[in-house]
Amino acid sequence: GESVGLHLPTLSVQEGDNSIINCAYSNSASDYFIWYKQESGKGPQFIIDIRSNMDKRQGQRVTVLLNKTVKHLSLQIAATQPGDSAVYFCAEIPVSAGYSSASKIIFGSGTRLSIRP
Amino acid sequence: EAGVTQSPTHLIKTRGQQATLRCSPISGHTSVYWYQQALGLGLQFLLWYDEGEERNRGNFPPRFSGRQFPNYSSELNVNALELEDSALYLCASSLNNGGGPQHFGDGTRLSIL
Repeated sequence: GESVGLHLPTLSVQEGDNSIINCAYSNSASDYFIWYKQESGKGPQFIIDIRSNMDKRQGQRVTVLLNKTVKHLSLQIAATQPGDSAVYFCAEIPVSAGYSSASKIIFGSGTRLSIRP
Repeated sequence: EAGVTQSPTHLIKTRGQQATLRCSPISGHTSVYWYQQALGLGLQFLLWYDEGEERNRGNFPPRFSGRQFPNYSSELNVNALELEDSALYLCASSLNNGGGPQHFGDGTRLSIL
């Protein structure tokens, strides 16, 4: 497959362990956050989102935590599986900016998650 | 429900040529976004279309253009291709602007020889 990025930070996790991927966002006005997963040769896939009025949101095997004080977002993946291998990146959107807010989305550069058998 | 579909999967062109990339959004989505993902770089916003109109564009030269059709599908045109235009071009659609996540297609890999 093709690389999404050549110089991404890499997180190596033992299969079955939990993974924690971090993201520092940049815009204090951002109030909607999304985590995407991008496998080699594919487009980004929506995983989970969270709005700024929440600190935590859970999905299936995934949890997103938001700390607005330090502008930090994390994605926790429980019981990591080989199929979780991908590049993960966060996105921030200033929804309150109005109609054009989605076009002001800022994507993080991503973290490559590698699973050890 | 079908996801965002893009065509072609791969496109090979030479310098100076023109390329047309196509995108069909998820049914019911009116907003379409185009991004460039060059190797080693993150997603760079190109264009946003909503209800048939260009609503915003990123920091790209005018030779990057596009349109959105009445059925909300979209095409991206790149004129006078340059070597640095080689990248994965991703299309995304959303239900309503800013109110929900953008959903992406698998992209068109454009290679300039």
